[in-house]
Amino acid sequence: QGQLVQSGAEVKEPGVSVKVSCKASGYSFTGHYMHWVRQAPGQGLEWMGRINPFNGVTDYAETFQGRVTMTRDSSINTAFMELRGLTSADTAVYFCARAAAGTDQYFDPWGQGTLVTVSS
Amino acid sequence: EIVLTQSPVTLSLSPGERAALACRASQSVGNYLAWYQQKPGQAPRLLIYDASNRATGIPARFSGSGSGTDFTLTISSLEPEDFAVYYCQQRRKWPLSFGGGTKLEIK
Repeated sequence: QGQLVQSGAEVKEPGVSVKVSCKASGYSFTGHYMHWVRQAPGQGLEWMGRINPFNGVTDYAETFQGRVTMTRDSSINTAFMELRGLTSADTAVYFCARAAAGTDQYFDPWGQGTLVTVSS
Repeated sequence: EIVLTQSPVTLSLSPGERAALACRASQSVGNYLAWYQQKPGQAPRLLIYDASNRATGIPARFSGSGSGTDFTLTISSLEPEDFAVYYCQQRRKWPLSFGGGTKLEIK
């Protein structure tokens, strides 16, 4: 089934960048897309994009185009999501989520989430 | 973008009762719809994929139905651990999108 473990909470000032990591174990890292989804406090889920860990090809939601970069390091089974130009609206829990077995656009399992707080 | 509207926003029921949660899409998604459960402080968990298929390890009391624009998640007899927020998600068109959620609370 696999497990995803994310990096710890971050507090950032407006305008800077944040980079969140997601370490995979228990499955073939390069065999499944990795997605990123965020959830603002008390709000719903918002899909940000995905990366193919096999070749590094990415697809981003238009909302985040130009501001997000998803990468991976296959040698350590880890995916990364960097978001630039942070504003208070980016305060959220950021989840990585593996593409579910048999499909590349549902999510299972998920990481535990990383809270990113943007505040001056 | 496909907009998913979930109803009701909050559903108050008692353990043992049957729950029916709705998800309506702004355009047809075929059967490309999933349901997730999220408990406070936890990540979502996949329950149902492609409208009616239970994910691995999901109890049989959870079932999904529907196609096109109207979908339902049914929990046949509520257990105490089922009280949570439920989200639908479509994969018919990019960007992938989620509904706003239904909070299932204990009455």
